[in-house]
Amino acid sequence: GQQLNQSPQSMFIQEGEDVSMNCTSSSIFNTWLWYKQEPGEGPVLLIALYKAGELTSNGRLTAQFGITRKDSFLNISASIPSDVGIYFCAGFQTGANNLFFGTGTRLTVIP
Amino acid sequence: NAGVTQTPKFQVLKTGQSMTLQCAQDMNHNSMYWYRQDPGMGLRLIYYSASEGTTDKGEVPNGYNVSRLNKREFSLRLESAAPSQTSVYFCASSAPIAGDNEQFFGPGTRLTVL
Repeated sequence: GQQLNQSPQSMFIQEGEDVSMNCTSSSIFNTWLWYKQEPGEGPVLLIALYKAGELTSNGRLTAQFGITRKDSFLNISASIPSDVGIYFCAGFQTGANNLFFGTGTRLTVIP
Repeated sequence: NAGVTQTPKFQVLKTGQSMTLQCAQDMNHNSMYWYRQDPGMGLRLIYYSASEGTTDKGEVPNGYNVSRLNKREFSLRLESAAPSQTSVYFCASSAPIAGDNEQFFGPGTRLTVL
């Protein structure tokens, strides 16, 4: 399957700090999705991106579809304790039938 | 709307036993998926169903079978469970229309094979 590389693998930040994470691939994707997964739960969709260069926000979250179509970025501003979880990127290619997932960024917010 | 529901939530099996994981969605989605999630790895696709009556293999189909019973339900069967199938299993659904590939996930089934 396609390899999506997420970085960093984990982050420990202070409440109130901003967070940045990214996802890269050697292949082009036509859709990028960002999910959050909390312990014992399924992934929850945060943001969907459909056009190269697109910048989309959802509250304190902002994601961008990289101009090369091989990467995507997620930023969280003014982090709060409930932001704790694992954030996954996922990409979709035209002609494929499934999403490819990154290995996740585990976020810990220290109050 | 309940979204995507999965049963059971937890299951312990002995090697060689069989079981079926159930999944249902009430969003009128055409496509449904089964993934497994192992520690330190992202989700990997086992099987998917693009529409009622069709199923296709994903990245890791060996040891599994699926049935798309109707538009709402998509089940995953382990005929002879192995320890390597210890994992968390997620069902998802989507309504792929032009540009819409967003998948919505159930809460997962945590399976341990002894």
